[in-house]
Amino acid sequence: AAGVIQSPRHLIKEKRETATLKCYPIPRHDTVYWYQQGPGQDPQFLISFYEKMQSDKGSIPDRFSAQQFSDYHSELNMSSLELGDSALYFCASSPGTGATYNEQFFGPGTRLTVL
Amino acid sequence: AQSVTQPDIHITVSEGASLELRCNYSYGATPYLFWYVQSPGQGLQLLLKYFSGDTLVQGIKGFEAEFKRSQSSFNLRKPSVHWSDAAEYFCAVGMEYGNKLVFGAGTILRVKS
Repeated sequence: AAGVIQSPRHLIKEKRETATLKCYPIPRHDTVYWYQQGPGQDPQFLISFYEKMQSDKGSIPDRFSAQQFSDYHSELNMSSLELGDSALYFCASSPGTGATYNEQFFGPGTRLTVL
Repeated sequence: AQSVTQPDIHITVSEGASLELRCNYSYGATPYLFWYVQSPGQGLQLLLKYFSGDTLVQGIKGFEAEFKRSQSSFNLRKPSVHWSDAAEYFCAVGMEYGNKLVFGAGTILRVKS
């Protein structure tokens, strides 16, 4: 079965550079979530999109922005990178079926290292 | 505020011994509960989930968990641990509004032979 695809899998950037992470949800999933997992930390919710509109927002820095496109893929843009942005970034997707709760399916993550 | 507590940061068990990982949650509405496992540097793999119905749920790799509403707990169990079970385990609660997941801090399981 098709899974969530994230690219790149690994990314190395310098401080103050920008980075773009991409997420391709499971086909027919219209909701995308982004999570950040710092070293030794639990995953923290950043932001989510449903039908190309932001549906919820967590602890996402102002330096970060994200969007969902017409094909439902999503991009997380990170500017003025700081050392503390080094983390594993997960994308998850779910169907927006209108059920009370829709299970999320996680991608393999993008490991960002800021030097 | 919604929260998930995993009181044990590290647990070490002998191979073949039984395992129980604790999870308590604080959430006012109907909880949607999950256990994920993560090997070092890897992604999150869903072990099992509870939405409703039977409070004892079976998952993959021989794991099970029991939802106890009166104790706000969702503890993970396995009758006989294998060395390959060594990993970090996260309990999570799904928020009905917005659908996001709130994770516990995780429990690192070490298995000694």
